Amino acid sequence: QVQLVQSGAEVKKPGSSVKVSCKASGGTFSSFVISWVRQPPGQGLEWMGGIIPIFGTTNYAQRFQGRVTITADESRNTAYMELSSLRSEDTAVYYCATRFCASVACRERYWYLDLWGRGTLVTVSS
Amino acid sequence: EIVLTQSPGTLSLSPGERATLSCRASQSVSSSYLAWYQQKPGQAPRLLIYGASRRANGIPDRFSGSGSGTDFTLTIRRLEPEDFAVYYCQQYDSSPPLTFGGGTKVEIK
Repeated sequence: QVQLVQSGAEVKKPGSSVKVSCKASGGTFSSFVISWVRQPPGQGLEWMGGIIPIFGTTNYAQRFQGRVTITADESRNTAYMELSSLRSEDTAVYYCATRFCASVACRERYWYLDLWGRGTLVTVSS
Repeated sequence: EIVLTQSPGTLSLSPGERATLSCRASQSVSSSYLAWYQQKPGQAPRLLIYGASRRANGIPDRFSGSGSGTDFTLTIRRLEPEDFAVYYCQQYDSSPPLTFGGGTKVEIK
């Protein structure tokens, strides 16, 4: 059974960076198009960006351009999301998610998200 | 970027009642590439519906999705106690970026 296992909670100072990991357990990483979605406390879901491993491409939501970097280490079956220049408004739960699908077509674009990690709480506080 | 607007913001209903949630897109969502999620406190979202009307694995048939173009609806036929949660729509037609609606909270009246 494939699972997305995320790294643990982080507490960061304003102006610093955080790097959250997402390991695909039980599956081949290159099969998954990974999205990163965040949710500030009491607020809705926001897509930050994603990575398409078979093309080696990354995509970022415009409001995070220049501050977020998404990478993947296929040897470790792990994707990473690094957010820099942290501010208090970045306090949120960060999720990785994907569409779990064996078809090649699933690996070439972003779809709905039927497999989610449990989330990583990042708290930004001085 | 396609903007999704959900209404109402909060729906107050009793168990056994029917819930009707709306999701309106700023431009047409082709191929009905629209999904619905349920989220409970402290949990990750769970996929309910994809392709506007297809139930995801294990989703009870009291959940149904409909619509096309710019107007989509999630209907919960008879609310069970476990259905009180927040519901989000998401489009994956014009992506990237994926976009989500702001959510509708279904609360117990």
